[in-house]
Amino acid sequence: QSVLTQPPSASGTPGQRVTISCSGSTSNIGKNTVNWYQHLPRTAPKLLIYSNSQRPSGVPDRFSGSKSGTSASLAISGVQSDDEADYYCAVWDDSLNGGVFGGGTRLTVL
Amino acid sequence: QVQLVESGGGLVQPGKSLTLSCATSGFTFSNYGMHWVRQAPGKGLEWVAVISFDGKKQHYAESVRGRFTVFRDDSKDTLFLQMDSLTVEDTAVYFCARRDWGWMACEVWGQGTVVTVSS
Repeated sequence: QSVLTQPPSASGTPGQRVTISCSGSTSNIGKNTVNWYQHLPRTAPKLLIYSNSQRPSGVPDRFSGSKSGTSASLAISGVQSDDEADYYCAVWDDSLNGGVFGGGTRLTVL
Repeated sequence: QVQLVESGGGLVQPGKSLTLSCATSGFTFSNYGMHWVRQAPGKGLEWVAVISFDGKKQHYAESVRGRFTVFRDDSKDTLFLQMDSLTVEDTAVYFCARRDWGWMACEVWGQGTVVTVSS
């Protein structure tokens, strides 16, 4: 059971806006920056958002991130069928003195 | 191009040891901290360990602390993960990843190597 809580599933129809939440505590999200990954089976995870809201080069601006207090969110606007994947938040935890991933959210595009 | 290639996975008995390698190319390896992350069958991503760019600092997940050791050989541009006292719970795909921004932002990942711990 992760110290970062994500909903196990999310869904949307093509073109909708979908948000995925990540809830933590003062020792992780409250003190450190949040990152988001997209992961498809049998592939390497892909960094979507770093430092709470920054996009690496090549990541579409449909993906955005935000953070407030001890929670963070990933938003996908204009969701597409290709966005079907597992999404994870990842943060450093000062109390654990280690990294942590959220439990992951499986996105289904209906 | 920038590339990470893991190797060394396989089938190993409980209690035995295994060492994974992550060969890197296309960037200055000695400038970057490196992570190991794993995914057990049917489970989510789990952070395992990180080593600083100069090899002087290592941090481990509680689940592997005292059993796993992360180290690097900058002369070979290679990252390693020595895994001792393996248990069935260590069965997973193991990924290496380059630490790019902050602690947990990794833009470059390997494709993973499979470790199966079974008698």
